[in-house]
Amino acid sequence: TQLLEQSPQFLSIQEGENLTVYCNSSSVFSSLQWYRQEPGEGPVLLVTVVTGGEVKKLKRLTFQFGDARKDSSLHITAAQPGDTGLYLCAGRLSGGSYIPTFGRGTSLIVHP
Amino acid sequence: ETGVTQSPTHLIKTRGQQVTLRCSSQSGHNTVSWYQQALGQGPQFIFQYYREEENGRGNFPPRFSGLQFPNYSSELNVNALELDDSALYLCASSSNRGLGTEAFFGQGTRLTVV
Repeated sequence: TQLLEQSPQFLSIQEGENLTVYCNSSSVFSSLQWYRQEPGEGPVLLVTVVTGGEVKKLKRLTFQFGDARKDSSLHITAAQPGDTGLYLCAGRLSGGSYIPTFGRGTSLIVHP
Repeated sequence: ETGVTQSPTHLIKTRGQQVTLRCSSQSGHNTVSWYQQALGQGPQFIFQYYREEENGRGNFPPRFSGLQFPNYSSELNVNALELDDSALYLCASSSNRGLGTEAFFGQGTRLTVV
């Protein structure tokens, strides 16, 4: 059982479309990070959210942390082929744990 | 570029052999975590080192071991390699153990066991 469940697992869309990726858990997290990983490379940090209800924007990417700090979403507006990659969420459990736990990721392909 | 470097980038080993993977952490970072990532999966936590001490361990057998050196660089050793050990091994460094601290990853070592 994954502590962090990501959905959908795979997403194949056309350039210009919008999409949302979800990261859900039954546990409370003190912080949550989103990463993007390209094949054969290490994950690259996109954003960290810490406060329940927090919304952060990074150009066409909008990240939201749930009010209860158990879930998060990543919304991409007008997707481009350069957005193709594996999107991973990773959380640090509330209550003293400081080891980030990763979801399985959402594999996104944006077709030109 | 994160400043975290891993070596080698690719490695092919035979079942039963031993392997050592290396990681240089980002300047100023004292915590190193190792992850195993199978194809199409998210990274699975192996263990973490903080100031040269093991600071937490995931669900991996004892044949996975590690070290952290005074300069905070780290090694991952795997004994008695099995075919299922084939994966991308990722090293991540962070500045402390505190909550909300981001981890910065190296490019990984692709290990193939044949």
